[in-house]
Amino acid sequence: SSELTQDPAVSVALGQTVRISCQGDTLRNYYASWYQQKPGQAPVLVIFGKNNRPSGIPDRFSGSSSGNTASLTITGAQAEDEADYYCNSRDSSNNYHVVFGGGTKLTVL
Amino acid sequence: EVQLVESGGGLVQPGRSLRLSCTASGFTFGDYALTWVRQAPGRGLEWVGFIRSKAYGGTTEYAASVKDRFTISRDDSKSIAYLQMNSLKTEDTAVYYCTREVFDYGSGSYPFDYWGQGTLLTVSS
Repeated sequence: SSELTQDPAVSVALGQTVRISCQGDTLRNYYASWYQQKPGQAPVLVIFGKNNRPSGIPDRFSGSSSGNTASLTITGAQAEDEADYYCNSRDSSNNYHVVFGGGTKLTVL
Repeated sequence: EVQLVESGGGLVQPGRSLRLSCTASGFTFGDYALTWVRQAPGRGLEWVGFIRSKAYGGTTEYAASVKDRFTISRDDSKSIAYLQMNSLKTEDTAVYYCTREVFDYGSGSYPFDYWGQGTLLTVSS
């Protein structure tokens, strides 16, 4: 099965821009989706497809993709953005299966 | 308002069985694939499997770690999806989430747009 690799932890100063990356060969064939998870809560979809935000997600969240890497960018990070972020996509080695990245813990300083 | 509510978690001994339920409301349940995702304590998200809508055969797919032990089913008349778990192992201990999968025609991606609050399964003797 395919794997998606994320940096375990990233930090950003309040109001600054941060990019969280997700790498894996399956991303050459599928777009990643991104989920935000705060402690004790269920994940929330924040970005999917080329760069789509579900209703209610602030426009400071954006997504991009190049080659085998997908990125989630938060422009002007807020204190409430401190959370774990997970990427996922279909698994190109078995198109019916799904793979998640290991997650990135974002700290807003 | 779309809602997914999981239930049925609890403490179970290794080797035993348990069935989780996911009760949906606020959308046409039968039109969507339903996916189960789990999260072991302090760990990341792990895809468990999903069931397609009846329009796509109502068939299922499973992660290798649960294949042949777990079975996903659905009752569209009740808007409920089930996760039957047999031969449980301590490593199955996790919060189990049900999610709604959608297909984004623009990108060909399959995001999970709604999640339940999760139900905790603890497998321990």
